[in-house]
Amino acid sequence: QKEVEQNSGPLSVPEGAIASLNCTYSDRGSQSFFWYRQYSGKSPELIMSIYSNGDKEDGRFTAQLNKASQYVSLLIRDSQPSDSATYLCAVNPDLYSGGGADGLTFGKGTHLIIQP
Amino acid sequence: EAGVVQSPRYKIIEKKQPVAFWCNPISGHNTLYWYLQNLGQGPELLIRYENEEAVDDSQLPKDRFSAERLKGVDSTLKIQPAELGDSAVYLCATKGGIETQYFGPGTRLLVL
Repeated sequence: QKEVEQNSGPLSVPEGAIASLNCTYSDRGSQSFFWYRQYSGKSPELIMSIYSNGDKEDGRFTAQLNKASQYVSLLIRDSQPSDSATYLCAVNPDLYSGGGADGLTFGKGTHLIIQP
Repeated sequence: EAGVVQSPRYKIIEKKQPVAFWCNPISGHNTLYWYLQNLGQGPELLIRYENEEAVDDSQLPKDRFSAERLKGVDSTLKIQPAELGDSAVYLCATKGGIETQYFGPGTRLLVL
């Protein structure tokens, strides 16, 4: 059974600091990796996708992928109170696909709190 | 461009009653997913459509859940009869081509 593991938190980070969110996955055949942000009572919103080993930067967000270790992370620089949300890690076996044969497998999410 | 539309946004019913959720995808998005999200959990796939064909419904509890996507556009998800454990958020997501999934606002179901 495919599993995606995340620390549920809450993870508390001071405003302006770097927030580091981690995710591990069990299916070694996974090819596509995503980070979604979900505010309380709202639907998930895609913030980052990554497909190859290494780092991918987009503004204040950096996604890191290590397929050998089956590990994905998300760094948020200069954290703002508006970054407070639950961050969901999701994986898919198909490359460059947001939903292949099985759809996305999500972790339970990490609840991030940015303290002003 | 309009996003994924879902209705109703909230639904409260008594157990054993039927309930239906509706999803209108982003224009041109051929792939449609229904997910279930329990409190404190990530979304779990229920069913995936490619146009009007249900290509993956292995996680759909078929004794009480059913879904359809007539003409490959709008989709409905039905529960009959509803049980207390069905209280959750039902999310619809759609995808066009190789783009990633975009989620609708969800329907929050409470079964009493």
